[in-house]
Amino acid sequence: DGGITQSPKYLFRKEGQNVTLSCEQNLNHDAMYWYRQDPGQGLRLIYYSQIVNDFQKGDIAEGYSVSREKKESFPLTVTSAQKNPTAFYLCASSTPGPSGGGDEQFFGPGTRLTVL
Amino acid sequence: GESVGLHLPTLSVQEGDNSIINCAYSNSASDYFIWYKQESGKGPQFIIDIRSNMDKRQGQRVTVLLNKTVKHLSLQIAATQPGDSAVYFCAENRGRGRNYQLIWGAGTKLIIKP
Repeated sequence: DGGITQSPKYLFRKEGQNVTLSCEQNLNHDAMYWYRQDPGQGLRLIYYSQIVNDFQKGDIAEGYSVSREKKESFPLTVTSAQKNPTAFYLCASSTPGPSGGGDEQFFGPGTRLTVL
Repeated sequence: GESVGLHLPTLSVQEGDNSIINCAYSNSASDYFIWYKQESGKGPQFIIDIRSNMDKRQGQRVTVLLNKTVKHLSLQIAATQPGDSAVYFCAENRGRGRNYQLIWGAGTKLIIKP
């Protein structure tokens, strides 16, 4: 089955520790995205990548880092510099759309990160 | 600033009635709009999309209307069912190529009354 997987589903971290969230897709999509969602709020873009070995900062990139060494994988590291990391993290992927734009994004199940 | 927003944070609808969820956008250059449904604790699921060369698009029990004159988008759900309870997000596209991204609205929570 094609899809996007995120692991782990729940993650606990002590203050001051870095943690890496996994995102893998087998949809052969070029583009991948990381969002943060706080309770009762919408999605805020952290980082995105339209092609391998290239990525762009989103609206709230501070305290986060990413890599895109493979088309299938787009891991997100939440660093100790992120002052309020407790949130629901969503990964998505998409194909390029017409005229250089994009298409619908397919989402993973999310990782809920809690800082203790 | 440019944003995608929603008129109502919560919408309560009687089961069986039609639901209408609204969304305003301010970037006249956006040419692609999407509606997503998010159930509690899950990732958003695609419902329906529409490109700016269209005014209306219908899916199964859902219709999206686009009014470019007033920069307004709406999602209509026919014969609302309990399974429609969720938060609904609209999104618009922004940028091209390596800068392409979706801009998301704040969401509307749809509550179905029995």
